[in-house]
Amino acid sequence: DVKVTQSSRYLVKRTGEKVFLECVQDMDHENMFWYRQDPGLGLRLIYFSYDVKMKEKGDIPEGYSVSREKKERFSLILESASTNQTSMYLCASSPERWRGWNTEAFFGQGTRLTVV
Amino acid sequence: AQKVTQAQTEISVVEKEDVTLDCVYETRDTTYYLFWYKQPPSGELVFLIRRNSFDEQNEISGRYSWNFQKSTSSFNFTITASQVVDSAVYFCALAPSLYNFNKFYFGSGTKLNVKP
Repeated sequence: DVKVTQSSRYLVKRTGEKVFLECVQDMDHENMFWYRQDPGLGLRLIYFSYDVKMKEKGDIPEGYSVSREKKERFSLILESASTNQTSMYLCASSPERWRGWNTEAFFGQGTRLTVV
Repeated sequence: AQKVTQAQTEISVVEKEDVTLDCVYETRDTTYYLFWYKQPPSGELVFLIRRNSFDEQNEISGRYSWNFQKSTSSFNFTITASQVVDSAVYFCALAPSLYNFNKFYFGSGTKLNVKP
């Protein structure tokens, strides 16, 4: 079974702190993603990475950065946490196309971050 | 522009009732994928189905069935004889085939409550 593991289920941080959310996948997937989930808004893509050291902005990258030094690990960084970044964060991974078709993405259990 | 609308925020049914979750999408792409994911209380998104835009055949998997209609840009999900374990948030998502991975556009989700 594909496993995407997020390092923390719950985090409480103070405004202005630098926050690291870690995600590890064990299936050698090329693509990794960070989403943010908010009530009424569904999931929104923050950043994604299609290869080691490669990253691209998603739809809501402001206030975030990412790091992918190893294929299996994708970190989301909040440089200076703010209260409006209180949310559920979901990491996902997916392989490259297979026989011309995209396959599904696999998600971690999420990290519920509260910034106070 | 890519957009997915799940107009039903929350639905409550009694066990054994049938329930349909609606999904309407917007895209200018001619080739795309549609997905349904289930998010149980544990938090991770569980893949249910993927459809590509060339395949309008309806699909049935046990108590689950999906109705894809390009003419109305809809991809509805029906659970027959619902069970308490079906209680979860369900997300519909659109992914353009432009990328060699799924860049998802999620709907806001429908929370399904199945009461015993």
